[in-house]
Amino acid sequence: ETGVTQTPRHLVMGMTNKKSLKCEQHLGHNAMYWYKQSAKKPLELMFVYNFKEQTENNSVPSRFSPECPNSSHLFLHLHTLQPEDSALYLCASSHAGLAGGNNEQFFGPGTRLTVL
Amino acid sequence: AQKVTQAQTEISVVEKEDVTLDCVYETRDTTYYLFWYKQPPSGELVFLIRRNSFDEQNEISGRYSWNFQKSTSSFNFTITASQVVDSAVYFCALSVRTIQGAQKLVFGQGTRLTINP
Repeated sequence: ETGVTQTPRHLVMGMTNKKSLKCEQHLGHNAMYWYKQSAKKPLELMFVYNFKEQTENNSVPSRFSPECPNSSHLFLHLHTLQPEDSALYLCASSHAGLAGGNNEQFFGPGTRLTVL
Repeated sequence: AQKVTQAQTEISVVEKEDVTLDCVYETRDTTYYLFWYKQPPSGELVFLIRRNSFDEQNEISGRYSWNFQKSTSSFNFTITASQVVDSAVYFCALSVRTIQGAQKLVFGQGTRLTINP
C-alpha cells in the first residue's frame, strides 16, 4: 500500500449505531487530519494531529471522537450521528514541524458516510 | 481571519478551450502558502501546486499555469487547451501554521469544471 488509505470507502449507519473510520498513511508523515466535505459546504477541517497529539479541534460535536495511536494511523469514532452528518470524510497527512506551513497535504480517497 | 473565495461555482467549456479558475484569499499573515488541489470523481484530492507568499513568480507546468498576484490577493489557475480528463472540482487553499507546527488548510468552495468533447 502506498499513500493514504481509508476504510471503509462507503458506510451506511443508523443514528443509534457506533462505527469507526480508519485512515492509514505510508508516507512517513507526522501530521494527520480529518476533513468533512458535504454537498453545501466547502471542505471543513475537523481535527489535526501533530506527532500523535491533537492540536486542533475545529468545534466539532462530541459525537465525533478522533484517535491517533501512532503517526501512521488515525481513526474517527462515530456515535449517535445525525442525518446532517452525512458527508464525505477525508483523511490527509503531511510533514509537520517548524516548517509545517509549506508542506502539501496528501489526501486519502475518503469515506462516503450516509446516516439514516 | 483567513478566507478563500472561489467565485466560480461551475464552469463548462468545450475541449481545447483555455479556461481560468479564479481564487481570491484573505489573510493577515505575512508568511503564508497557497495551494491548488484537483478532486476527480473518485473523490481523492490531488495536489497540483504550492506557492509561498514571497514568491510571486508565475509558474507553468505543461498545460497548467498559475498567476499569483499579491497586490490583488489572487492566485488564479489556467488550463490551456483543456481536455476531457481535466473535468473535476478544483480547490484553492490557504495554509496557516498552527502554534504546534502543524498545517491548517482553509479551502475555497471549489469550482466544478466540465470539459465537453
